[in-house]
Parts: sequence; C-alpha cells; structure tokens
Amino acid sequence: EPEVTQTPSHQVTQMGQEVILRCVPISNHLYFYWYRQILGQKVEFLVSFYNNEISEKSEIFDDQFSVERPDGSNFTLKIRSTKLEDSAMYFCASRGSSGNTIYFGEGSWLTVV
Amino acid sequence: DAKTTQPPSMDCAEGRAANLPCNHSTISGNEYVYWYRQIHSQGPQYIIHGLKNNETNEMASLIITEDRKSSTLILPHATLRDTAVYYCIVSHLYNQGGKLIFGQGTELSVKP
Repeated sequence: EPEVTQTPSHQVTQMGQEVILRCVPISNHLYFYWYRQILGQKVEFLVSFYNNEISEKSEIFDDQFSVERPDGSNFTLKIRSTKLEDSAMYFCASRGSSGNTIYFGEGSWLTVV
Repeated sequence: DAKTTQPPSMDCAEGRAANLPCNHSTISGNEYVYWYRQIHSQGPQYIIHGLKNNETNEMASLIITEDRKSSTLILPHATLRDTAVYYCIVSHLYNQGGKLIFGQGTELSVKP
C-alpha cells in the first residue's frame, strides 16, 4: 500500500538553528499538508500546498516557516530559526487529485534544546 | 469546517464491538464525515469516511443518521491493537483545497 514517508524520524537541534523536515508524498498525489502535534496536545493544521503554492495556512505558520516542493517527489517544511516551542511531532500528509482522503506519514519528532 | 463532539474516553472489552459516537449538528450539505485514529503518537491513520450512506470497509463500519447530525463508528471485533485516540472530523475536501481539523477525539481503551 502506498504511504507517505518522512525523514528524519527524530531530530534534536539547538535553538536558533534552521531545520528542514522532508516528506515524500504518495506518488501522483497533488495536495500536500503539514500538521504538528505538541506533546499531549491535539493535531494542528499548519499549511496546505497545491500547484506549487500555498493554498491555506494557519496562524501557527508564521514567517519562520516555509514549504517547498524542490523536485517531483519531495515536499519540505523549513523552520528558519527554531524556538523551544517548536518542539513537536510534525506530520506530512497528501491527497490525490480526485480523492477525498488525506493520508498521513508517521511523523518527524523535533526537539529544540 | 463544522465542529464535532465526541466523548473523551471509552472502554471496550476485547472481542466485543466498539461503538464510537460523534455529534456534528452543524454539518453542511457537502461535508463528509471522516474517521481517523492515532495510536500512541504515530501518524493519524485513515479509517473510513462517508457523506450520507452507511459505509463499511475492512476496518470498520460508519453509520450516519438520516439527518446527518450524528454518526457512529463501529469496530466489529475490537482487539488490544485498536486502543487509540479516534477522531471524528467533518470536512469538504475540494479541488482547490480543504483540510482536516482535528479535535480532541475519543480515547478508546480495549481491555482483555
């Protein structure tokens, strides 16, 4: 069964450092998403991406965040200058062009120290 | 996106059916009902979705009331591995976008 894959599974970074989280969405999917989940809290929407541009973003997705689809397979989330409160699990997700279902990856756990 | 209301927690005996309720009284005509689950901070796993009719797949059944204001997810023979947080979400995923908004969900504990 096709799946969304994410790397790294876990990353520890110093406060103020840049982090890039990578995702390989399901092949032929056209809609891409990033969500985050702070430990013990609910899953929160960050951003959706379609046709090489952001479709929608939440209040959480401020200027420190950016997304990119650098090639035909990867979808990345960059945090420019990490803060302690960015520590969370980040989930990538994707959806097909005619599909009604969003599929999630297993997540990248980011710890900012 | 319409909001949903779910009980915060439920218990179920292993081998029995687990019936998870969800209220979505403000659902719009073009919004689907989605169910996902999350096992111990893993990625949310898609279970099933429906618009008006009841749906069944290899994982579960979804029963939607005629007025669409509530639904029930049924796991017919719950196992210990079904212990997870179950999310009921109503949303309209359309050609240009749409998203899923997660609430707190129902924490289902399947007990031996």
